[in-house]
Amino acid sequence: AQSVAQPEDQVNVAEGNPLTVKCTYSVSGNPYLFWYVQYPNRGLQFLLKYITGDNLVKGSYGFEAEFNKSQTSFHLKKPSALVSDSALYFCAVRDIRSGAGSYQLTFGKGTKLSVIP
Amino acid sequence: DAGVIQSPRHEVTEMGQEVTLRCKPISGHDYLFWYRQTMMRGLELLIYFNNNVPIDDSGMPEDRFSAKMPNASFSTLKIQPSEPRDSAVYFCASRTGTGSYEQYFGPGTRLTVT
Repeated sequence: AQSVAQPEDQVNVAEGNPLTVKCTYSVSGNPYLFWYVQYPNRGLQFLLKYITGDNLVKGSYGFEAEFNKSQTSFHLKKPSALVSDSALYFCAVRDIRSGAGSYQLTFGKGTKLSVIP
Repeated sequence: DAGVIQSPRHEVTEMGQEVTLRCKPISGHDYLFWYRQTMMRGLELLIYFNNNVPIDDSGMPEDRFSAKMPNASFSTLKIQPSEPRDSAVYFCASRTGTGSYEQYFGPGTRLTVT
């Protein structure tokens, strides 16, 4: 099975500073990678995905992610953090369970981002 | 588009009672997923459907849980009998069947079993 790991439970960053939320992956074959954000008392919202092509993927709300095959990483980044970016962030990978005929997503445990005013 | 719709948003029930959670996927989406989220276990995939047919239910915790999808626009997740350890937020998500694999989530149902 494919998997992703988010090594940090929490990331704190000052408003206006660049932010990075880390994700590493373990897959067989070509990875399909995703980032989601969850605001308090809300469902997960899709931010961006990498399937193929340019290693720098741009997504919603000014976020981007860099795919690095040699380091098996897919870190989420933003040049200047906003207080409103404070939320829970999930990395995910396309996966398929043994015996199943189609793909699902396997999610990491999430990283809580706090942007401090 | 209204997005994925879930009802109720909050449910409080007593142990032993039957609970039914409802989901309407995005129109035209072929896949529907049910997840459970808790602090201890994070986000868990319970079951998913393709064209109304259950594909993988290996994440369903036990026989007290059942899910159905009688048509393309409606699915239910039922817990009978409910137990306090079932308290969690339950999400429904859907996606298309072509190429893109990103899922779109509903707002969730917060279930509290006392």
